[in-house]
Amino acid sequence: NAGVMQNPRHLVRRRGQEARLRCSPMKGHSHVYWYRQLPEEGLKFMVYLQKENIIDESGMPKERFSAEFPKEGPSILRIQQVVRGDSAAYFCASSPSGANEKLFFGSGTQLSVL
Amino acid sequence: GDSVTQMEGPVTLSEEAFLTINCTYTATGYPSLFWYVQYPGEGLQLLLKATKADDKGSNKGFEATYRKETTSFHLEKGSVQVSDSAVYFCALNMIYNQGGKLIFGQGTELSVKP
Repeated sequence: NAGVMQNPRHLVRRRGQEARLRCSPMKGHSHVYWYRQLPEEGLKFMVYLQKENIIDESGMPKERFSAEFPKEGPSILRIQQVVRGDSAAYFCASSPSGANEKLFFGSGTQLSVL
Repeated sequence: GDSVTQMEGPVTLSEEAFLTINCTYTATGYPSLFWYVQYPGEGLQLLLKATKADDKGSNKGFEATYRKETTSFHLEKGSVQVSDSAVYFCALNMIYNQGGKLIFGQGTELSVKP
């Protein structure tokens, strides 16, 4: 059973470009969480999604950031018009149900904005 | 708001030494508490958890006890190994039906020397 798959592992973008980060949850998991880790800081919750629904986006910046988890395919975290402050490690985690507290994390995508 | 504070790293120990990583929390209710571990190049993995006061979580020789009176959840291991070298994150969850919405500490890096 493959784990949570994130790609790409490393993503380099210039200021003003768009970044798309992908996350395929574990088989059978329909709940996905995105976290961001800024340098020297812990992981910060961004958004919680179920298939086709955003459940909680209280940690998402109000502008430029969006997330989706379509019926088919991976979850996508999209950052438009990236700025240097978006440089961070972005982690995706999945679980089989909303109340399940055991998260399975991917290895993360390291975004670098030049 | 709710928060988690961990002792700063890096922590460097010799093999077979005793390990303590301090973690304290601030929460308005009664959270579930977790320790996650991140090995180099990998995603976070759940190490142990406790869901109510005086519960002790344990796994792979690591232990932590949920202390409501001191709002702490310190991680301990009696004899560390080189393979324990990793970053350790303390976390809490306040929302039952959003079990994956975690508040993390900033992480403590552990380096064990042979």
